[in-house]
Amino acid sequence: QVQLVQSGAEVKKPGASVKVSCKASGYTFTSYGISWVRQAPGQGLEWMGWISAYNGNTNYAQKLQGRVTMTTDTSTSTAYMELRSLRSDDTAVYYCARAPRAASPFDPWGQGTLVTVSS
Amino acid sequence: QSALTQPASVSGSPGQSITISCTGTSSDVGSYNLVSWYQQHPGKAPKLMIYEVSKRPSGVSNRFSGSKSGNTASLTISGLQAEDEADYYCCSYAGSSTYVVFGGGTKLTVL
Repeated sequence: QVQLVQSGAEVKKPGASVKVSCKASGYTFTSYGISWVRQAPGQGLEWMGWISAYNGNTNYAQKLQGRVTMTTDTSTSTAYMELRSLRSDDTAVYYCARAPRAASPFDPWGQGTLVTVSS
Repeated sequence: QSALTQPASVSGSPGQSITISCTGTSSDVGSYNLVSWYQQHPGKAPKLMIYEVSKRPSGVSNRFSGSKSGNTASLTISGLQAEDEADYYCCSYAGSSTYVVFGGGTKLTVL
């Protein structure tokens, strides 16, 4: 079955960077893309961006441009999301989800990775 | 403030039907038939329930249906069951600059 398994929880200090991984299985990795969505504690969902696993093309949310980088490693069917210059309001659960294109629905989702930014 | 507007909460009794609205603009919901709906139980990842306004993924109950009129999309759940109690989020494509916008979420309570 299609499955996305994310890396474990992280605690970072303000100004640091975090890199979250998302390992895919059960489908041809390069035939789809991966979207990243985050959810601050008690808040709604926020789209961060999308990457094509076929050619590495990316689309990022304007709000995060310059601070976020999404990459893939096709040899291990793993997608990565790096967020730099972390602030306290970046504290959230970060989800990856399979999506053929940036406009596509997200299905399925990874289990989520809690990133806590605290001094 | 979310780009799409949803009611904060709705409720219904078992067996009843409820509808959750999702209001956007002519730049997102009104321009594209690319509205999706997600169900999220506490502490869990979201689950796709409806895509492209009214299509159901395999395995999703036919009690869930979607529609759109103008700038407003709607999710209807018929024959409410206790397991339907969750948060529901709408999502729309918003063009090649903004890409994707979400609603603020609606908490469904089954009385």
